[in-house]
Amino acid sequence: DADVTQTPRNRITKTGKRIMLECSQTKGHDRMYWYRQDPGLGLRLIYYSFDVKDINKGEISDGYSVSRQAQAKFSLSLESAIPNQTALYFCATSDRGPRSSYNEQFFGPGTRLTVL
Amino acid sequence: SQQGEEDPQALSIQEGENATMNCSYKTSINNLQWYRQNSGRGLVHLILIRSNEREKHSGRLRVTLDTSKKSSSLLITASRAADTASYFCATDRGSTLGRLYFGRGTQLTVWP
Repeated sequence: DADVTQTPRNRITKTGKRIMLECSQTKGHDRMYWYRQDPGLGLRLIYYSFDVKDINKGEISDGYSVSRQAQAKFSLSLESAIPNQTALYFCATSDRGPRSSYNEQFFGPGTRLTVL
Repeated sequence: SQQGEEDPQALSIQEGENATMNCSYKTSINNLQWYRQNSGRGLVHLILIRSNEREKHSGRLRVTLDTSKKSSSLLITASRAADTASYFCATDRGSTLGRLYFGRGTQLTVWP
């Protein structure tokens, strides 16, 4: 089974709709991240969470919100989707521990979101 | 803003050739990482090099780091068609908090 899972894998929605993307992990990591990827722009950080009570904005948080329901679950919501939020969305996790400064991240398979 | 800038943006080679990708960055770092992404899939960690290291090997991968020039290179030797993917560098900008800053990637195509 995959260590980091994302649901749904693909989603088509309409402008103005609320949508939630979910991420679950079995790696036991404290840190979780949401990125979006657009062609030619690499990955940009939307939100990140270092534990259940710690949520931080990334580079492009406007129009998004998140919820860390448990150590293993981190959800990303688009309150009112717009077409320029069409992108590939990735969840990632990383460990906190003696080697935390290494910051290796483990990625989910991605959610392809299309907003019409 | 993007921390890493990979160069070239795209690279096309034949199987058996070596592929070299470069990454430049602007701030101090604790480490620099390289990731690989197959088309439309999640990123996979390849290798990490710490700021006090100059070179690191992993199988057919060789990474170098020059902190004075704020640059790194990823060399894939004896490339295979299966190496076709996008390659990203990522840095921590000197933080140990877990955030990574990714470049825009190099698209490598290896022709059989």
